[in-house]
Amino acid sequence: AQTVTQSQPEMSVQEAETVTLSCTYDTSESNYYLFWYKQPPSRQMILVIRQEAYKQQNATENRFSVNFQKAAKSFSLKISDSQLGDTAMYFCAFMKYGSGYALNFGKGTSLLVTP
Amino acid sequence: SAVISQKPSRDICQRGTSLTIQCQVDSQVTMMFWYRQQPGQSLTLIATANQGSEATYESGFVIDKFPISRPNLTFSTLTVSNMSPEDSSIYLCSVRREADTEAFFGQGTRLTVV
Repeated sequence: AQTVTQSQPEMSVQEAETVTLSCTYDTSESNYYLFWYKQPPSRQMILVIRQEAYKQQNATENRFSVNFQKAAKSFSLKISDSQLGDTAMYFCAFMKYGSGYALNFGKGTSLLVTP
Repeated sequence: SAVISQKPSRDICQRGTSLTIQCQVDSQVTMMFWYRQQPGQSLTLIATANQGSEATYESGFVIDKFPISRPNLTFSTLTVSNMSPEDSSIYLCSVRREADTEAFFGQGTRLTVV
């Protein structure tokens, strides 16, 4: 079974600053996907960024980037130039490679962006 | 992308009753999943809704408590049966196409059992 661990229950960052959210996972799979999802107070789950394990290059999406360390089983999310709208719950998730698999989520990190 | 309509968005129910939650997708999808998110917690997979056959349940979830239907590739329902206050949670529908890794989510149903 795969486990996803987010060790930071809550974090706070000032607007325009940079923040890094941590995620580690445990798996015996060699091929898989990793995701960061955002859940604002509206409850809508939104994909922030995804990473294929077979790709060495770290994924980036505008202000969001990841540091993927496959050997260490670490997948951190960096948010640059934080904005008030980034305030949300952030979930790290794992998915096995192949069809038919669901996401396995970590416990989440609550991020507050302050003015 | 996929647009998901999940109904109801919230409900307050009496213990011992049942509630059926609907998930409608605007296009055909291969996979549909149901998750539970207890207050302040992460998302836990309840089951995979299989079209035309019985759902596949995760450990700790049983069909008698959470019957699921999926009559076609765009619609599924989750029923929470014989509810108790411990069932108070947000229930989310999620879909994914076989060729895509991104999962899309409904806005969830906030259920309160009193």
